[in-house]
Amino acid sequence: DQQVKQNSPSLSVQEGRISILNCDYTNSMFDYFLWYKKYPAEGPTFLISISSIKDKNEDGRFTVFLNKSAKHLSLHIVPSQPGDSAVYFCAASVGGGSQGNLIFGKGTKLSVKP
Amino acid sequence: EPEVTQTPSHQVTQMGQEVILRCVPISNHLYFYWYRQILGQKVEFLVSFYNNEISEKSEIFDDQFSVERPDGSNFTLKIRSTKLEDSAMYFCASSRRAVTNTEAFFGQGTRLTVV
Repeated sequence: DQQVKQNSPSLSVQEGRISILNCDYTNSMFDYFLWYKKYPAEGPTFLISISSIKDKNEDGRFTVFLNKSAKHLSLHIVPSQPGDSAVYFCAASVGGGSQGNLIFGKGTKLSVKP
Repeated sequence: EPEVTQTPSHQVTQMGQEVILRCVPISNHLYFYWYRQILGQKVEFLVSFYNNEISEKSEIFDDQFSVERPDGSNFTLKIRSTKLEDSAMYFCASSRRAVTNTEAFFGQGTRLTVV
């Protein structure tokens, strides 16, 4: 039962270029979406989020786009830097995550090459 | 910078044994969570805890699991009788508010290996 899907297990991008990480979901009740970044041997680190009432949220080099009709969101990183190399998890919740029940995707491993 | 700390970083236990995973959440946080990630799979929600009681739990969190905040600083996850399939990375998280998860901070995880 994969309610949150990240279909690309890995992505390789050249430094300075744009990284686009994609995420699809099936549960139309989701109303809050988050991206977490995870380095090896560390826990997930919150990156950026978006509420379902918006279609875009921007924070520095990171922008998340939400297309509710397509049940699709994406994370854009521009310009990409080698330090961005990590596993990126898309997560979703119902009720703004009020109970902490985040549903995670399997993650996409981003490699940014110098 | 405040952080969530988890001990031990790696725990090896025999099947059927009880294990306790420990977490020290960030001191002014009120909401506490456990997640786990089986190798190669997604991070899965186990349980959330607020005001000294479980506020939500997943199907994974069956009678073998329990959580406790014994002394106002630690937050523990106990697995009563471990099974091989309990082998995973267990992440503790905490947040100041429940309204959103933007403030959910994760620990570095405890790798549990059941043999």
